[in-house]
Amino acid sequence: GAGVSQSPRYKVAKRGQDVALRCDPISGHVSLFWYQQALGQGPEFLTYFQNEAQLDKSGLPSDRFFAERPEGSVSTLKIQRTQQEDSAVYLCASSNRPPSFFGQGTRLTVV
Amino acid sequence: AQTVTQSQPEMSVQEAETVTLSCTYDTSESNYYLFWYKQPPSRQMILVIRQEAYKQQNATENRFSVNFQKAAKSFSLKISDSQLGDTAMYFCAFMTSNDYKLSFGAGTTVTVRA
Repeated sequence: GAGVSQSPRYKVAKRGQDVALRCDPISGHVSLFWYQQALGQGPEFLTYFQNEAQLDKSGLPSDRFFAERPEGSVSTLKIQRTQQEDSAVYLCASSNRPPSFFGQGTRLTVV
Repeated sequence: AQTVTQSQPEMSVQEAETVTLSCTYDTSESNYYLFWYKQPPSRQMILVIRQEAYKQQNATENRFSVNFQKAAKSFSLKISDSQLGDTAMYFCAFMTSNDYKLSFGAGTTVTVRA
């Protein structure tokens, strides 16, 4: 596609609910990143894929967070048993070389 | 670990005037990239300008230019002839040449007044 596409744009989840956030990167981009952006803050790195391989998941805040990219294209970030502190914007980015190109993000609100 | 500091939470500028946003960073690496991203209310993070550390010449993109001071570890962004569409949050970001993830500052909210 022309750009990085993320869905849904908004998600409201009840505390304890599982959620899945989707990222469709720019076609042909090898690298895919997930970032978490708290309100009024800069994005923080969560995880990195090179094709289907998850090479770095050091930024995932807990074992409730799980990401996959099974065919080296679309990626899903899953959050199990959501907590209020998970409320944030989740940004996906893709690239073949710097710079990264970002999607519009998913705003997750846990109530 | 790399840290990026943006010391100005908010800046306001009159339309057609110039505004400068500051950014400092801390690293022991010699090869790296620096970026300024713009994030309007739509949340889309848009690349404004990039600078490779090995290049001494400051990058320029139309009304946007940077002042890159490698020894001082400073990377400021100048927006000339400000337009209403420049209203957004601006993030300074850093990436080493052998890494892949971006480290962002806390951002500066820029408001352009008509």
